[in-house]
Amino acid sequence: GAVVSQHPSRVICKSGTSVKIECRSLDFQATTMFWYRQFPKQSLMLMATSNEGSKATYEQGVEKDKFLINHASLTLSTLTVTSAHPEDSSFYICSAREGFLRGSYNEQFFGPGTRLTVL
Amino acid sequence: AQSVTQLDSHVSVSEGTPVLLRCNYSSSYSPSLFWYVQHPNKGLQLLLKYTSAATLVKGINGFEAEFKKSETSFHLTKPSAHMSDAAEYFCVVSLTGGGNKLTFGTGTQLKVEL
Repeated sequence: GAVVSQHPSRVICKSGTSVKIECRSLDFQATTMFWYRQFPKQSLMLMATSNEGSKATYEQGVEKDKFLINHASLTLSTLTVTSAHPEDSSFYICSAREGFLRGSYNEQFFGPGTRLTVL
Repeated sequence: AQSVTQLDSHVSVSEGTPVLLRCNYSSSYSPSLFWYVQHPNKGLQLLLKYTSAATLVKGINGFEAEFKKSETSFHLTKPSAHMSDAAEYFCVVSLTGGGNKLTFGTGTQLKVEL
């Protein structure tokens, strides 16, 4: 099956610094990648949708200047948390979808997630 | 608008007994419905999906779910639980043709005891 990786798996940073998280589709080309956030014991919340070569579409309430998303190639998307604060501590998960919509649905393949802790 | 409600935050079963994880959905249009499983520190894995074909959907690892439009339900079942089934399960809805935006339920933690 399709594999999506994330790097790093875990990161601890100081308040005020920026952190970059990478999401890669290892064996397919992902025209669309999604970024989710998951708080402890809670569900996944979609933060933004990014299409290769264009600007990301952010969900309501997500600060685009704080969570910078770049999808420069068909296999790589990055999420940069700028000027991180303790409230940004969370589990960030990406997913990737191959190609264009065929029929009613193209499966999203999820990465293993990145645990961010801001001190 | 679309949403899913997972009625139980925790379910505990004995190994070898049936599993039932409940999910109700709300959608203005024909939905696609999914169940995902998340093991600790692992990515989400698709168990099964309903996309307007057969209402009884069979998935991996012996799981299945039945789409019941009259009850707006998509409950996940397995005849016999295994220790390895212990994980977090998410019911997810997506609007058909809606750009694949997924809306996740709050999750059900399944515990399997000896």
